[in-house]
Amino acid sequence: DTGVSQNPRHKITKRGQNVTFRCDPISEHNRLYWYRQTLGQGPEFLTYFQNEAQLEKSRLLSDRFSAERPKGSFSTLEIQRTEQGDSAMYLCASSPEPSNGYTFGSGTRLTVV
Amino acid sequence: AQSVTQLDSQVPVFEEAPVELRCNYSSSVSVYLFWYVQYPNQGLQLLLKYLSGSTLVESINGFEAEFNKSQTSFHLRKPSVHISDTAEYFCAVSRNTGGFKTIFGAGTRLFVKA
Repeated sequence: DTGVSQNPRHKITKRGQNVTFRCDPISEHNRLYWYRQTLGQGPEFLTYFQNEAQLEKSRLLSDRFSAERPKGSFSTLEIQRTEQGDSAMYLCASSPEPSNGYTFGSGTRLTVV
Repeated sequence: AQSVTQLDSQVPVFEEAPVELRCNYSSSVSVYLFWYVQYPNQGLQLLLKYLSGSTLVESINGFEAEFNKSQTSFHLRKPSVHISDTAEYFCAVSRNTGGFKTIFGAGTRLFVKA
């Protein structure tokens, strides 16, 4: 069990550029979640996969955000045409079932300049 | 929909003193309740959880939380804190049927002073 891995750890990008983050969950976990956390706030739900199916997406998420989990293993989160307001820590978590709680990755810190 | 309110944004306390971090939740359905901890420069870790049954749940490092359905609360307590307990603590709730996303509170920063 190597835990949840997220890459890159840090990303600095210019406004208007596209960025993509990767998450590798614990291999036995079929549920994968993306959250966003800004300073002084708790994690905010973005989207949720069970295996390769995206079952829920936050209504707060604009069309610039898209996520995939093509083979039910790793997942990618893409942000198109980044804005300064997208600057945050993007967290990935996985779980075998809801009652277990989450195992979080260390996150990807995005800075949009 | 579910929501979580953590009533204190910061709690300073002296070492070896007791501490309580307060959490209230709102939900129209049955829920699971969690406390997560984030130590400085580390990721979020599950501290303890309430699923059903006994309303008092404990962690391996001496924290406990009590589920109170009538008051919709899930306060976290420790009888004697250590410097190493300094961290941010997040209360979280998810419904136990249907959609399983977890909603997090804004966090309480526990600062233990020598």
